[in-house]
Amino acid sequence: DPKIIQKPKYLVAVTGSEKILICEQYLGHNAMYWYRQSAKKPLEFMFSYSYQKLMDNQTASSRFQPQSSKKNHLDLQITALKPDDSATYFCASSLTGGPSAETLYFGSGTRLTVL
Amino acid sequence: GDSVTQTEGLVTLTEGLPVMLNCTYQSTYSPFLFWYVQHLNEAPKLLLKSFTDNKRPEHQGFHATLHKSSSSFHLQKSSAQLSDSALYYCALSANSNNRIFFGDGTQLVVKP
Repeated sequence: DPKIIQKPKYLVAVTGSEKILICEQYLGHNAMYWYRQSAKKPLEFMFSYSYQKLMDNQTASSRFQPQSSKKNHLDLQITALKPDDSATYFCASSLTGGPSAETLYFGSGTRLTVL
Repeated sequence: GDSVTQTEGLVTLTEGLPVMLNCTYQSTYSPFLFWYVQHLNEAPKLLLKSFTDNKRPEHQGFHATLHKSSSSFHLQKSSAQLSDSALYYCALSANSNNRIFFGDGTQLVVKP
């Protein structure tokens, strides 16, 4: 059974619309992350949360907003979608997000296509 | 700042030959280095990571040695298998937020 669930697996959106990517983890981890993978920039760090608090943000655009309603949830809201946002978005988690060499566990990704 | 460089975008070799994928890094701290592997249509997963005590990590026949003098963490395997075909990412963690930087990745293709 997958321990990190991402929904939906595939998503098609029109330019200018808004979408929410869902991520739930059942590993008991306290840190969650979003990464983006596209042909232009493989596995690009976006956000990290630890104990439901934003720890790090490397996304310049405010169109990308993470939302953590529960400790094991980290959704990603994307507004005013652009074709350049087309990518596979991976959610990941680790034990604490602290200053150590923690292993990242990835979900299976949401492949977003913006037309 | 912190960065990871993987010089080869694509490595193609014949089954049974040795594998070496290059990884060099820059960091102002003393970082941890990782190798993640991503098979086609799958999520990335950890292959191995560096230890603090200079032990050489090994997994599934792969190993890597952290050389601080040359800032390298090359991935090696003595004999490639068809199932090793995948995208390999070298990654670095060096700051207190545990942000992990990934290199651009090396696509390994193993042919019969």
